[in-house]
Formats: sequence, structure tokens, C-alpha cells
Amino acid sequence: DTAVSQTPKYLVTQMGNDKSIKCEQNLGHDTMYWYKQDSKKFLKIMFSYNNKELIINETVPNRFSPKSPDKAHLNLHINSLELGDSAVYFCASSPWRGADYGYTFGSGTRLTVV
Amino acid sequence: GDSVTQMEGPVTLSEEAFLTINCTYTATGYPSLFWYVQYPGEGLQLLLKATKADDKGSNKGFEATYRKETTSFHLEKGSVQVSDSAVYFCALSGRNTDKLIFGTGTRLQVFP
Repeated sequence: DTAVSQTPKYLVTQMGNDKSIKCEQNLGHDTMYWYKQDSKKFLKIMFSYNNKELIINETVPNRFSPKSPDKAHLNLHINSLELGDSAVYFCASSPWRGADYGYTFGSGTRLTVV
Repeated sequence: GDSVTQMEGPVTLSEEAFLTINCTYTATGYPSLFWYVQYPGEGLQLLLKATKADDKGSNKGFEATYRKETTSFHLEKGSVQVSDSAVYFCALSGRNTDKLIFGTGTRLQVFP
């Protein structure tokens, strides 16, 4: 059983399109995250939700919109895709206020914008 | 703000060599410290952690000690294997926060 699962694993799309990435966790965690990993492997937090409530919203273009229908799901919708959005996007989860327990990561979605 | 600095890679070693990957941090208060490992094409996996000064985290032969006086959390392994080839990330989180802050990652390549 995969603890944090993301779909799709690969996404190739043209500039200007709108796309979504889905994430689900079966760990019973309260908090979920989206991280972006660039081509140099640098990881930066984008968003964090706790039990459907947005709690972290870093400086991210408003073309990116997270949605959490329930505490086990956190999706990422991206409008008007740009070349610079090409990256690997990781979903993760942790217990509430439990970053010090460590996160559980999904296997990532490689987005390529052409 | 809080930050993590790791040594630049790649680190290239022969099998059974000793490994050290340096990590230092800047943080207010007393953060928890982590090492994550990312194998090719996969997500990050928690390797080990330490939550207070002088704690030693260990797993799979890897160790790191939380050194408050030098604000460091260096990763060590006595004898690396080819299967240890991966990217290693040092990270910290403040108390009662929801955010992990990562270093830039260090690629380790181990050759037979």
C-alpha cells in the first residue's frame, strides 16, 4: 500500500495549457504539502494544508491553486503553464504540527512544459 | 530566516570508503534536524533525524549528531556501498511548525 501517492508520474504539456496533479495519503496525517524541486534538485515549499485549511502559502504565482477536498487529498492545479514551471512536484504529509516528526513524500510528478 | 547549508557535490567514493557529508544550519531556537535520501527517479525518504542537542540519529549504517555549539549535523557512514549512490538532503524544522527547510542536496556516487 502506497502511503503518499501522486498522479500522474509524468506530465508533458504545451505552454498555456491548464493541468492538475493529484495527491492522496492513507497515513491518517492531518497536514499535506506541495514542494517544487528544480533542475538543480533544490526543494522549496509551495503550500501546506491542515485538515483542508490552507496554512502555508509561499511566494507562488497565483496560477498555482491548491485544493483539498478532505484531509487525505491535496491537489495542485496550474493555469496557463509556462516553461519555467517545468520541475518535479512532490506531495508530502505529516502529523499536525509534526514537521519535526519528518514528512512522508510521494514519488513525484515530473512536469515538462514545451 | 532559517536556512541549511550543505557541501556541494558530487561526492565520489570507492566502495567501502568512509563518507562524510557536511551540513550546517541557521535557526532561531532549537530546530529538529533531518537527513533525507533521494534515489534516482524516486521521492525523498527520511533517513534519520535528531530532535535535540547531542542526539545521534542513525539508520542503515548512517549516523549524524546534533551539534548545537557548531550548528552542524554532518552525515557519516563507515563503509559505503554502490547502493548508497543517491542525493542526500539535510533539513530542519522549527518547533511546532509545519515547514521543512532543505539544503541544496549533495549527490553521492559510489563506484565498485
